[in-house]
Amino acid sequence: ELKVEQNPLFLSMQEGKNYTIYCNYSTTSDRLYWYRQDPGKSLESLFVLLSNGAVKQEGRLMASLDTKARLSTLHITAAVHDLSATYFCAVDIRPPGGGTSYGKLTFGQGTILTVHP
Amino acid sequence: GAGVSQSPSNKVTEKGKDVELRCDPISGHTALYWYRQSLGQGLEFLIYFQGNSAPDKSGLPSDRFSAERTGGSVSTLTIQRTQQEDSAVYLCASSSVGAREQYFGPGTRLTVT
Repeated sequence: ELKVEQNPLFLSMQEGKNYTIYCNYSTTSDRLYWYRQDPGKSLESLFVLLSNGAVKQEGRLMASLDTKARLSTLHITAAVHDLSATYFCAVDIRPPGGGTSYGKLTFGQGTILTVHP
Repeated sequence: GAGVSQSPSNKVTEKGKDVELRCDPISGHTALYWYRQSLGQGLEFLIYFQGNSAPDKSGLPSDRFSAERTGGSVSTLTIQRTQQEDSAVYLCASSSVGAREQYFGPGTRLTVT
């Protein structure tokens, strides 16, 4: 059974500081996703990582993928209050019988990020 | 353009009643997914549609849950004889063929009293 684990689950940061959220998964994956969720809202796609060594950056967020270590990181640079939200990673794997993966996502528990002035 | 829409946004029902939740995917998206988000279980996959067929129903929790999709577009998730443990936010997502990204709707918050 695929397991996706994030840490930390709770992160309280001061504005201007840097931090990293980790996402470990237990089996080979085709793709890894990062999503943001604001309270009472739906999921907003941040990054899609497709291959080993992939790195993507958007503003103060940077995501990377190491498929050999089965690890993805979401790095936050110089945090601002607007980044306060819950962040999820999700993994898309191939079906047990083989074939192409089709988007059945297994999510991590989520990391609740709070950025303080 | 229009995103994924879901209705109703909130639904309160009595235990034992049936409910229907609706999802309108982004126009042209052939793949459609239902997920459930609850405090105890986090985000869980329920079912996947490609066109009108559902090759993967493995996440449906029990036979009280069913879903259909018609015309390769709108999907309905039906929960029969609702139980309190069915209380959750039900999220729908869609993606285009070969795309890597799923777009999520705003969700339906279901409360079973």
